[in-house]
Amino acid sequence: GENVEQHPSTLSVQEGDSAVIKCTYSDSASNYFPWYKQELGKRPQLIIDIRSNVGEKKDQRIAVTLNKTAKHFSLHITETQPEDSAVYFCAASRNYGQNFVFGPGTRLSVLP
Amino acid sequence: EPEVTQTPSHQVTQMGQEVILRCVPISNHLYFYWYRQILGQKVEFLVSFYNNEISEKSEIFDDQFSVERPDGSNFTLKIRSTKLEDSAMYFCASRPEETQYFGPGTRLLVL
Repeated sequence: GENVEQHPSTLSVQEGDSAVIKCTYSDSASNYFPWYKQELGKRPQLIIDIRSNVGEKKDQRIAVTLNKTAKHFSLHITETQPEDSAVYFCAASRNYGQNFVFGPGTRLSVLP
Repeated sequence: EPEVTQTPSHQVTQMGQEVILRCVPISNHLYFYWYRQILGQKVEFLVSFYNNEISEKSEIFDDQFSVERPDGSNFTLKIRSTKLEDSAMYFCASRPEETQYFGPGTRLLVL
């Protein structure tokens, strides 16, 4: 089955700096890759997603890149703000949205 | 904006007891999911449900677990005989297309 790895497990950046979180997946049939942000005690919230037929997607300060050959995808957050502090989970899915296999998460801390 | 809702928000139960966790998916969504998240760990898939039947389930979803859509709005997860290791946050999710929308979760504590 699918296995998703995520690095780093924790990340601290200064406010205004960029943050990059990387995920790798094992199943070449996976075709949908969402990123979720989870604040303490709250539900995971989708922040951006990408389909396998797209190499890059951007939404304001957030971007995701996908390398299908290498089976990895990355989340990029620019101009980080303290409210970006949370745990970020990547996930991979076959059949465009069927059950997600999540990575172990990255705890991002943005220091003022 | 419509959201997935879950009840109760917290549940404490004794080992061996049955629990039912309830979810109300977003009304026009057709696919439903249960996930669990043990404290400090990643979110793990339990089961997916479509067209009134289970479409996929994980190894975690053993005979102690069952799901039901008893009416047009509710989606339930039943754990027949809870174990200590069932203590976790349980999330329901639903989707119309690719994006899954998560509920706020039910924190289950088994004593």
